[in-house]
Amino acid sequence: GQNIDQPTEMTATEGAIVQINCTYQTSGFNGLFWYQQHAGEAPTFLSYNVLDGLEEKGRFSSFLSRSKGYSYLLLKELQMKDSASYLCAVRDPRYSTLTFGKGTMLLVSP
Amino acid sequence: GAGVSQSPSNKVTEKGKDVELRCDPISGHTALYWYRQSLGQGLEFLIYFQGNSAPDKSGLPSDRFSAERTGGSVSTLTIQRTQQEDSAVYLCASSLPKTEQYFGPGTRLTVT
Repeated sequence: GQNIDQPTEMTATEGAIVQINCTYQTSGFNGLFWYQQHAGEAPTFLSYNVLDGLEEKGRFSSFLSRSKGYSYLLLKELQMKDSASYLCAVRDPRYSTLTFGKGTMLLVSP
Repeated sequence: GAGVSQSPSNKVTEKGKDVELRCDPISGHTALYWYRQSLGQGLEFLIYFQGNSAPDKSGLPSDRFSAERTGGSVSTLTIQRTQQEDSAVYLCASSLPKTEQYFGPGTRLTVT
């Protein structure tokens, strides 16, 4: 089976740094994805990790530890527009389908 | 270039009616996925098409749900005899093999 956990909600202040954690227990693993979803919009791809370590892309970084079944998304220099839901998803090795967590709603305040 | 498009953007239907939701993937993307997102829930996988291979239907919640993909491009998700619990946003995504998925804007289905 697949089980993906992430916090339901987080709050942070503009300009700060926030880390959104994701833990997973899955029957197979072929990569972990992070997506951003603004209210009423489609999810948009942020990052992808298949090997252990940190992937950096501008203000966003994502980390993966396969042995611990753990990932985090790090957002730096937070902006108001970063207020959104952040979705962690694990890819199935056979069919490339994604299993999503329920998402973490991030609220950035001034 | 054009992204994934879906139609209609909103659909209100009466319980018991059939509905068809359409997805136009990104040109050249061989993989196409359907997901459902209910209020307060994560995205739920429904069905996956890859090229000419048999689709993975393991996520379809009941036999009222079916999908087809014609000519390896456009896909239609059909829900027969809709129920109120079918109310959700239905999202389509496409990708090249083993790469990130690109999502369409979704169809918000409301069953009254």
